[in-house]
Order: sequence, then structure tokens, then C-alpha cells
Amino acid sequence: DQQVKQNSPSLSVQEGRISILNCDYTNSMFDYFLWYKKYPAEGPTFLISISSIKDKNEDGRFTVFLNKSAKHLSLHIVPSQPGDSAVYFCAASAGTNAGKSTFGDGTTLTVKP
Amino acid sequence: NAGVTQTPKFRILKIGQSMTLQCTQDMNHNYMYWYRQDPGMGLKLIYYSVGAGITDKGEVPNGYNVSRSTTEDFPLRLELAAPSQTSVYFCASRGHRGRQETQYFGPGTRLLVL
Repeated sequence: DQQVKQNSPSLSVQEGRISILNCDYTNSMFDYFLWYKKYPAEGPTFLISISSIKDKNEDGRFTVFLNKSAKHLSLHIVPSQPGDSAVYFCAASAGTNAGKSTFGDGTTLTVKP
Repeated sequence: NAGVTQTPKFRILKIGQSMTLQCTQDMNHNYMYWYRQDPGMGLKLIYYSVGAGITDKGEVPNGYNVSRSTTEDFPLRLELAAPSQTSVYFCASRGHRGRQETQYFGPGTRLLVL
């Protein structure tokens, strides 16, 4: 049973437009959520996180929204840039512990010039 | 800071062979982790450590062993390699970026078992 799901394997957007990546979770014990970006042949790099006490967190072009009642979070990238093309992983953990995270399978974002 | 480093980058093993994947971090982080990523899938936790001398199993520990004798190093041992262990292995340590808690990942070790 997959506890963190990213239902869209891929997403393609035009440069300058908004990219919206979605993530759903089933475990109500999860209270800390992270987004990572991964380029080929590299390790994941941290983008942004959100605690369950918040419903929004912003960092530059990246905003994460959390809807606890729906067990859903989304990552918004505005404006999207070609360098944002990568695989994006959603991860969730219990107890504000970035480690022992459960990862989704990733969404491949392609930003077209 | 070099961050999290992993060696080797790539290795081919024959079935039944063993090897150690090396991981070192220079950020003085107590928590360290080993994940594996299979093609098209997310990362799955193999083992983790909360400090020198303390390790615990993650989601997929079978076929692996770890040790943590120092804060810096967290090697992963594969005994009797099997084709199912063909994967990319990532080591990570837990830290903060600003006020956000996160993991810092190494570049990965790609392992092929034939």
C-alpha cells in the first residue's frame, strides 16, 4: 500500500508559466512534508518543506500548499524556467523528522523554452 | 564543505559477491540514512543511524548490513549480492536549511548485479 502518491508521472509546461505538481498521502500520522528535485545521475536536493501546522510555505519561486483534510499537497513553481526540468519527489514523515521519509514515485517536469 | 560523498559511483557485481558502499559526511550530522531507488520508483529506506554506534532497520533491510563507528562514516554492506539488489543507492544525512529540516543526499552509487 503506497502511502505517498504522485499520480502524474510527467508534466510539461511552457517557460514562464506556472507548474503545479501534486501529491496525496494516506497516513494521517504524517505531519512533515518535503519536496526534492533530482537531476539525472545526481542525488535529490531539497526544495521546500511544510509542517502540518501550516497550510502554505513560500521560498522564492516555490510555494507548497497543504490541505490536511484532503491529505493533499501541491508544489507551485512560478515562473517556470527550463532549468527546473527535473524529477520532483514528494516525501512525508511523522514527527518533524526529515529522515525516515516515505517518498512518492516522482513527477518528471519538463519546462519548454 | 564537501557535504555527503559516496564511493564508488558505479559497480558491477556477480551474483553471490559482496561489497561495501562507502558514505561520508563532513557536516557533523548525527542522523544518517541509506536509501535505494529502483527505476521509475521513489526512494526506499534501507537502514538509518541516529549516531555513532546506533543503527536501525528501515523499510527494506533484507540483504544489507550497516555499521556506524564514527559520526562521519556510514558504510552499507551487501552480502551475497542478488539481481534484486540492482538499484541506485543514496546516502543522506539530516540537517537544516535555514529553519527547514531536511536531508542532504550524496550523488549515489549505481549497482548492477549480474
